[in-house]
Amino acid sequence: AQSVAQPEDQVNVAEGNPLTVKCTYSVSGNPYLFWYVQYPNRGLQFLLKYITGDNLVKGSYGFEAEFNKSQTSFHLKKPSALVSDSALYFCAVRAPREGDDKIIFGKGTRLHILP
Amino acid sequence: EADIYQTPRYLVIGTGKKITLECSQTMGHDKMYWYQQDPGMELHLIHYSYGVNSTEKGDLSSESTVSRIRTEHFPLTLESARPSHTSQYLCASTPALAATGELFFGEGSRLTVL
Repeated sequence: AQSVAQPEDQVNVAEGNPLTVKCTYSVSGNPYLFWYVQYPNRGLQFLLKYITGDNLVKGSYGFEAEFNKSQTSFHLKKPSALVSDSALYFCAVRAPREGDDKIIFGKGTRLHILP
Repeated sequence: EADIYQTPRYLVIGTGKKITLECSQTMGHDKMYWYQQDPGMELHLIHYSYGVNSTEKGDLSSESTVSRIRTEHFPLTLESARPSHTSQYLCASTPALAATGELFFGEGSRLTVL
């Protein structure tokens, strides 16, 4: 069965420092991996995705993520954190098969950027 | 901004009332989803649809029901609301043919049952 793990409930980073939000996955076949961000009282917004090709993908707001097949990981990164990056971040995996296209979300990681 | 809309954004009602949460999208997407988000943040898939007249139950058992009579509309109904239904409900859609496509989410409906 597909699964996604975000091992950290919360990550605290000082403004200007690099940030990493971790995600590991388990899926049969080739995974499609996504990161979403949720601001308070809002829906989720798409940040970036990995489908195929270059393992380092770049997305919105300066975020990037690295796909590591051997470690089954897809960690979200940003070189220099901003206070406005404080939000809830979700990793998701999609492994479409004929007749069954489930999208599974991790439990979410709350990112706090300290001024 | 994605063209997917949820109403109401906030609803406070008494136990036993019937409620319908509306979700509409103008993108022509075939696949639509309802997620329940608990206070601990986690998202739970409760219903999904692959197109008109298609509805399936998700991973989390829910007393709610859904319908898909039109492509753009995917309402969720609770016949008799209870305090345990208090939660944030998120609607999402994605194009059917784009298996690599991301989900587009509405702003959510926060339901409080007293």
